[in-house]
Amino acid sequence: ETGVTQTPRHLVMGMTNKKSLKCEQHLGHNAMYWYKQSAKKPLELMFVYSLEERVENNSVPSRFSPECPNSSHLFLHLHTLQPEDSALYLCASSPRLGLKAGELFFGEGSRLTVL
Amino acid sequence: AQKVTQAQTEISVVEKEDVTLDCVYETRDTTYYLFWYKQPPSGELVFLIRRNSFDEQNEISGRYSWNFQKSTSSFNFTITASQVVDSAVYFCALKINNNDMRFGAGTRLTVKP
Repeated sequence: ETGVTQTPRHLVMGMTNKKSLKCEQHLGHNAMYWYKQSAKKPLELMFVYSLEERVENNSVPSRFSPECPNSSHLFLHLHTLQPEDSALYLCASSPRLGLKAGELFFGEGSRLTVL
Repeated sequence: AQKVTQAQTEISVVEKEDVTLDCVYETRDTTYYLFWYKQPPSGELVFLIRRNSFDEQNEISGRYSWNFQKSTSSFNFTITASQVVDSAVYFCALKINNNDMRFGAGTRLTVKP
């Protein structure tokens, strides 16, 4: 199995829908992240979890709601999104938090289109 | 301010040419890490290299090499004898604290046969 798996790979939703993105890591890592990648913009950090506790929320609108039930799974619940939320959402993990924690391991992303 | 600038939005080369991707960073921290990632069409970012701020030694890995110069706050990436499989978006990133990895906007490299 690949290290970090994201489902679904593609999602189209209306502004009133509720959907969820799922991320699973098989690396035994303790930290997990959600990033947003919009066209021609740097990756934006959204949320960081360490051992299932949220340690960072980068001023993300409440229509994005993360959930980390255990250190291997991370969800991003989506509700009442706007068209400008259309982007590639990338999940990543690292062995732990910390400046010296090393590199991030990324999934292939979930391409979200909001109509 | 912590910032990473990749001034080259897109680069196109012909196979076997050498190509250098530029990365300039800004930080007031003395301890930090720099990274390069490759994002192929499949989407996931693939880690290429990590360098800490106290290690200015350049590195070579096969056709890839990295030139870290603190004096100019640059961490440039060179691909020698490029191949079509090198076509991807390349991201430079700066890590200055526990959680914050700042990415540049990326450089899209196209290698034509």
